[in-house]
Amino acid sequence: EAGVTQSPTHLIKTRGQQATLRCSPISGHTSVYWYQQALGLGLQFLLWYDEGEERNRGNFPPRFSGRQFPNYSSELNVNALELEDSALYLCASSPRLAGGHGSGYNEQFFGPGTRLTVL
Amino acid sequence: DAKTTQPPSMDCAEGRAANLPCNHSTISGNEYVYWYRQIHSQGPQYIIHGLKNNETNEMASLIITEDRKSSTLILPHATLRDTAVYYCIVRTGTASKLTFGTGTRLQVTL
Repeated sequence: EAGVTQSPTHLIKTRGQQATLRCSPISGHTSVYWYQQALGLGLQFLLWYDEGEERNRGNFPPRFSGRQFPNYSSELNVNALELEDSALYLCASSPRLAGGHGSGYNEQFFGPGTRLTVL
Repeated sequence: DAKTTQPPSMDCAEGRAANLPCNHSTISGNEYVYWYRQIHSQGPQYIIHGLKNNETNEMASLIITEDRKSSTLILPHATLRDTAVYYCIVRTGTASKLTFGTGTRLQVTL
């Protein structure tokens, strides 16, 4: 079974530009999560998409946005890039919860990440 | 989600059991304990999770104390490939996000 895939592997941009990162979840998974891991910092939750809707958002400015497509793949867009946006961006996916989002638990399976460097 | 406390680093000899502790004294009744690990610059890998009973899978065992205020991840026969940062996370089933702390950096040595 193919895992979560992310593209590109590396991305170099300059300040003020926009970056677009892509994620393909595991087949059958409906939820996609985005995390940021900056150097020296832990993984920070960015966004959660499920069934095409944004379900939750971390403590990041609005220039971090994204969307989920009908095939459940997802894009993360970062506008007006700043130097401190340089980080490893990780995408994770999880299956639909058997009892809906109000029950049970769900494992998140992570992709290899996209390394974004802002110069 | 409840906060967790883990030692920043641990060493383990190859072939020996690695016992990684985690304190989660403010855990509530509907919160699960999850363990993930991250090998250098890769995406985190799910290891195991539990609610109140001890759990075992092909990777590890999870021991949760009766009062659920702490847990231990056990890698029964550590290998060099187990060198990684191990994260203990407490969350409800309805939570959408994983809140990663600083984790424990496990170094397995010859």
